[in-house]
Amino acid sequence: EVQLVESGGGLVKPGGSLRLSCAASGFTFSNAWMSWVRQAPGKGLEWVGRIKRKIDGETIDYAAPVSGRFTISRDDLGNMLYLQMNSLKTEDTAVYYCTAGVGATEVDFWGQGTLVSVSS
Amino acid sequence: DIVMTQTPLSSPVTLGQPASISCRSSQSLLYSDGNTYLSWLQQRPGQPPRLLIYKISNRFSGVPDRFSGSGAGTDFTLKISRVEAEDVGVYYCMQATQLLTFGGGTKVEIK
Repeated sequence: EVQLVESGGGLVKPGGSLRLSCAASGFTFSNAWMSWVRQAPGKGLEWVGRIKRKIDGETIDYAAPVSGRFTISRDDLGNMLYLQMNSLKTEDTAVYYCTAGVGATEVDFWGQGTLVSVSS
Repeated sequence: DIVMTQTPLSSPVTLGQPASISCRSSQSLLYSDGNTYLSWLQQRPGQPPRLLIYKISNRFSGVPDRFSGSGAGTDFTLKISRVEAEDVGVYYCMQATQLLTFGGGTKVEIK
């Protein structure tokens, strides 16, 4: 069974930093394209960014609103995905989902999400 | 950026009746490899999203066959042949031809 478990969310002040983690199991993590998708309270889904697998160059892409502030990384040995978020803004407040693409799409499986609140 | 536009915003449906959701992209989703990377996701209340349909019309593992997808180019449709109570939620289309973008969502509720 595929499992994606996010952690690291919480309350942070504007301008602050936070690091989210996603622990993956139940599939070959090194073969997956991994992404972060967020959902502001009561709003729709917004793609944050993704990291491809090593054989695809481990290329990383970001959505424009987070480019230069957020950094995605992965640890294939530990089956972990990370999202380093710096210079946080109030508009970054959202539930952040970790997703795994294992063959059908880039978002075949989703975690339960972790809430990030940016407020003074 | 490719913009995804869904209609309607809300779809009240009688149990056992069909439902249909439309999605239009701002440019063709046909990729150079011949595939069209258009997917549909379902988000039940209080739950994370779940993949239903990929590459226009392929049902993901475990998805009931009352869900079907169709379309081409820039116009796509998700149909539920007979709505059940567990189908209540918000449905999103998503393109992955050029990075990823999601439609705004369509809420399916029971009349």
